[in-house]
Amino acid sequence: NAGVTQTPKFQVLKTGQSMTLQCAQDMNHNSMYWYRQDPGMGLRLIYYSASEGTTDKGEVPNGYNVSRLNKREFSLRLESAAPSQTSVYFCASLGLSYEQYFGPGTRLTVT
Amino acid sequence: GEDVEQSLFLSVREGDSSVINCTYTDSSSTYLYWYKQEPGAGLQLLTYIFSNMDMKQDQRLTVLLNKKDKHLSLRIADTQTGDSAIYFCAESTPRDDKIIFGKGTRLHILP
Repeated sequence: NAGVTQTPKFQVLKTGQSMTLQCAQDMNHNSMYWYRQDPGMGLRLIYYSASEGTTDKGEVPNGYNVSRLNKREFSLRLESAAPSQTSVYFCASLGLSYEQYFGPGTRLTVT
Repeated sequence: GEDVEQSLFLSVREGDSSVINCTYTDSSSTYLYWYKQEPGAGLQLLTYIFSNMDMKQDQRLTVLLNKKDKHLSLRIADTQTGDSAIYFCAESTPRDDKIIFGKGTRLHILP
């Protein structure tokens, strides 16, 4: 089991560029999540997906879109990156005891 | 609304016990969690406790839950340098599959 995988690990974008962060889990979990982590802010939920085909906004969804392509994959898209989106992004999935399994993170810098 | 609070920093001498505290507001929480984040890594689930339990022990870790005061603590016995990390308290609200995280407590180990 690879658990939760994320690509890429690092990315630098210029303001206005777009990109998609990929996430996959092989644990057959229904719910998946995207968070951003900023210093002193803890984890903030961007979007989540309770099941294949459904997505819901979290605390900070503006500037992002998501796709739950299938049960395994949940991608996060930045259509027009802004410096305020410089952050570390974590994907997670939810186990049977409502425990979350996290990916290793994507460190994104927007210049 | 839902909120999880924890102090931001804790310094402990190597070999002593560390106690990290957390308060939460949602009385319907089903599970409460402690996650550990080492530098440059994702969050790793350390332990969790079901809301009808008062205590859970797992090797050097002891979790205490006071449901009346909505207070959760994590005690790490015989603190080692490898315990240096950020510790996140979290609660689950199964009604919407969301996990609410605190901002994290950075544990610093003194020699």
